Amino acid sequence: GAVVSQHPSRVICKSGTSVKIECRSLDFQATTMFWYRQFPKQSLMLMATSNEGSKATYEQGVEKDKFLINHASLTLSTLTVTSAHPEDSSFYICSARSGVGTDTQYFGPGTRLTVL
Amino acid sequence: QKEVEQNSGPLSVPEGAIASLNCTYSDRGSQSFFWYRQYSGKSPELIMSIYSNGDKEDGRFTAQLNKASQYVSLLIRDSQPSDSATYLCAPLSGGSYIPTFGRGTSLIVHP
Repeated sequence: GAVVSQHPSRVICKSGTSVKIECRSLDFQATTMFWYRQFPKQSLMLMATSNEGSKATYEQGVEKDKFLINHASLTLSTLTVTSAHPEDSSFYICSARSGVGTDTQYFGPGTRLTVL
Repeated sequence: QKEVEQNSGPLSVPEGAIASLNCTYSDRGSQSFFWYRQYSGKSPELIMSIYSNGDKEDGRFTAQLNKASQYVSLLIRDSQPSDSATYLCAPLSGGSYIPTFGRGTSLIVHP
């Protein structure tokens, strides 16, 4: 299956700082990438959908100025949590889809963010 | 509002038994259906996809789809303790190509 990586896997930061999370498709070109957030014992919550070279589409209730998404190439998307606060602590997961003959999306391993 | 309903469980089955996981969805436009497995603290991994009514088998896993009833299920034969995880159902709308995830069913396979 297709491989998606995320970096870092775990990050701890102070309140007010910004954190960047990278998502890479390693063996395919991802025309679409998704960013999810998951709180403990809850389901995946889609935050935004990004297509290469265009602005991300954010889900209702997700602040686009706080969660900056850039999908600059077909293999890389980044999520920046700006001015992070403790309530932003969560498990952030990206997924990628090639969009070429498939509608399957593959998940990265996730990034656990803890804001102190 | 697209909804996906799954029994949160936990569903507890003995080792070697068949585990049956069910999912209903509200969007009649859904064309593709995916089952993901998520271990605690990890991200989801794809188990199976199904597109047509009927059964689809892959090893110990069988997905069943009934679009008329808006129902999709996953059967796990010869359940193993390593199958203990949360199973997420994700129908995908043909229009948006964005899947909607259920809350997942927690499966516990005890020795």
